[in-house]
Amino acid sequence: GENVEQHPSTLSVQEGDSAVIKCTYSDSASNYFPWYKQELGKGPQLIIDIRSNVGEKKDQRIAVTLNKTAKHFSLHITETQPEDSAVYFCAASRGYIPTFGRGTSLIVHP
Amino acid sequence: DGGITQSPKYLFRKEGQNVTLSCEQNLNHDAMYWYRQDPGQGLRLIYYSQIVNDFQKGDIAEGYSVSREKKESFPLTVTSAQKNPTAFYLCATSTGLRRNTGELFFGEGSRLTVL
Repeated sequence: GENVEQHPSTLSVQEGDSAVIKCTYSDSASNYFPWYKQELGKGPQLIIDIRSNVGEKKDQRIAVTLNKTAKHFSLHITETQPEDSAVYFCAASRGYIPTFGRGTSLIVHP
Repeated sequence: DGGITQSPKYLFRKEGQNVTLSCEQNLNHDAMYWYRQDPGQGLRLIYYSQIVNDFQKGDIAEGYSVSREKKESFPLTVTSAQKNPTAFYLCATSTGLRRNTGELFFGEGSRLTVL
């Protein structure tokens, strides 16, 4: 089955800095790569996703890149703000059941 | 308003007792899922259902049971056979196979503590 590795497990940045979270996957047939944000005490929420026919996707301050050859994808957050503090999960799937990474706790210090 | 409702939000149980977590949705989504979240472990799939009266085991189904008698409801029972049930449980939905976008929609979770 699919295996998704996510790093780092914790990331601490100053407000205004950029943050990068990286994931690797094992199944070359995976074709959908979503990123979820989970705020304290709540369920995860999709913030951005990318499909295997695209190399990069942006939405305001967040962007995701995908390298199919190397089987890795990354989340980039620019100009971080305190409200970006949360746990972020990457996932990979080739159908309707995603496999999740273990999560990254992002802390943005004012 | 549309969404996914999980109840109860917090639940305490004694060892040896079964407990049922509720998940109700009014998004008209075909597929429903149960995930377990433990610190540093990510989200692990317990059970999922693509259609009424049908469900499949996920990666960690032992000690859990589900039913899908209605499209809107997918309750999870944590049985006494589950050796380490203390965790945060998340219910999710998706549009399903027929018009699947891949996105999962999550409820706000239920935190179960075994005393």
